[in-house]
Amino acid sequence: DTAVSQTPKYLVTQMGNDKSIKCEQNLGHDTMYWYKQDSKKFLKIMFSYNNKELIINETVPNRFSPKSPDKAHLNLHINSLELGDSAVYFCASSQVAGPYNEQFFGPGTRLTVL
Amino acid sequence: DQQVKQNSPSLSVQEGRISILNCDYTNSMFDYFLWYKKYPAEGPTFLISISSIKDKNEDGRFTVFLNKSAKHLSLHIVPSQPGDSAVYFCAASASNNDMRFGAGTRLTVKP
Repeated sequence: DTAVSQTPKYLVTQMGNDKSIKCEQNLGHDTMYWYKQDSKKFLKIMFSYNNKELIINETVPNRFSPKSPDKAHLNLHINSLELGDSAVYFCASSQVAGPYNEQFFGPGTRLTVL
Repeated sequence: DQQVKQNSPSLSVQEGRISILNCDYTNSMFDYFLWYKKYPAEGPTFLISISSIKDKNEDGRFTVFLNKSAKHLSLHIVPSQPGDSAVYFCAASASNNDMRFGAGTRLTVKP
């Protein structure tokens, strides 16, 4: 009965391919996030959606496009994958938007670009 | 731009002793601080938080201390247990929704 789930858990692909990572939360939260954990282990926010609307869009290449079909889902599409995109991507959710709410994280998706 | 720093990548303590994990930040706009715990192959889970209007928050074996003048916070775990072995992330946020994470400290509690 996972609160925040991501698929796939592992993703290995060639440079130049297009791939998607799916995220779903069953907590009834309004806000969802995508984070990238780079090789130095820093967790960096990429996007935040509140009720299907984009509220945070950090400086990420426009090859990354989040899509929120409903407030329980926030999928991450990545076009023309590059070697530097290899990382662990975490989805998270919080009850409401804003900086003072704990976030619940998914298990992560390890993306390896060859 | 590392606004949140955890300078110790790892920490090893004996079971029953105190674990102290440290975190420093540079952005004076941060006014809410959180600690997350992460086991291998899992996402981070929320542990404890503190608002900048307080200097201490306690929850069972976990206490977070905030020193605003030094821009420093610490997480104390006492007594430490083997199940506490994990990576601990410090995070800080500001009213503009900007949450930043440190690189984490790997805590190992030896039986």
